[in-house]
Amino acid sequence: GIQVEQSPPDLILQEGANSTLRCNFSDSVNNLQWFHQNPWGQLINLFYIPSGTKQNGRLSATTVATERYSLLYISSSQTTDSGVYFCAVVRSGGYQKVTFGTGTKLQVIP
Amino acid sequence: NAGVTQTPKFQVLKTGQSMTLQCAQDMNHNSMYWYRQDPGMGLRLIYYSASEGTTDKGEVPNGYNVSRLNKREFSLRLESAAPSQTSVYFCASGFRGGEQYFGPGTRLTVT
Repeated sequence: GIQVEQSPPDLILQEGANSTLRCNFSDSVNNLQWFHQNPWGQLINLFYIPSGTKQNGRLSATTVATERYSLLYISSSQTTDSGVYFCAVVRSGGYQKVTFGTGTKLQVIP
Repeated sequence: NAGVTQTPKFQVLKTGQSMTLQCAQDMNHNSMYWYRQDPGMGLRLIYYSASEGTTDKGEVPNGYNVSRLNKREFSLRLESAAPSQTSVYFCASGFRGGEQYFGPGTRLTVT
């Protein structure tokens, strides 16, 4: 099956700093999402981005499907950004079988 | 508009007991999904249903059965629970090939 790798696995930031999270995938995809899992376990949709660039406030994401990676940018980080960030993909032709990456655990300290 | 709801929120079972996790969505989505999340890991797909009346296996289907009761509801059944099924279970829904929305999860412990 498709492999989804996220980096870095862990990240500690000072409040106000910027960061870039990466998601690499081993096959072509027709669906890619970024999620934030907060410390209470809730999964929050950030972006649905199979290709291109999107922005939502301090967060933005870019997917370069031809090179099989996606990036999530967090600017001016806040303590509420802490949690785990997951990307999830559906391989092209893979119907709806979703594969999650193992996540990036982010801690933002005041 | 409640989105995706799951019941129960917490459950403790003894080995060999059975139970059904319930999921419902009010967004008129065609597709529904069940995932499990083990500590420190991402989510793994157990089963999915592309439309009412259809179900398909995901990555880790062994030990589980599902029923797509109607367009709104998708249940997950453990016939004979095992300690290896201790996990957090998430239900999700979405339009085919599109964005998925997740429920709050069910934390299951099997002793």
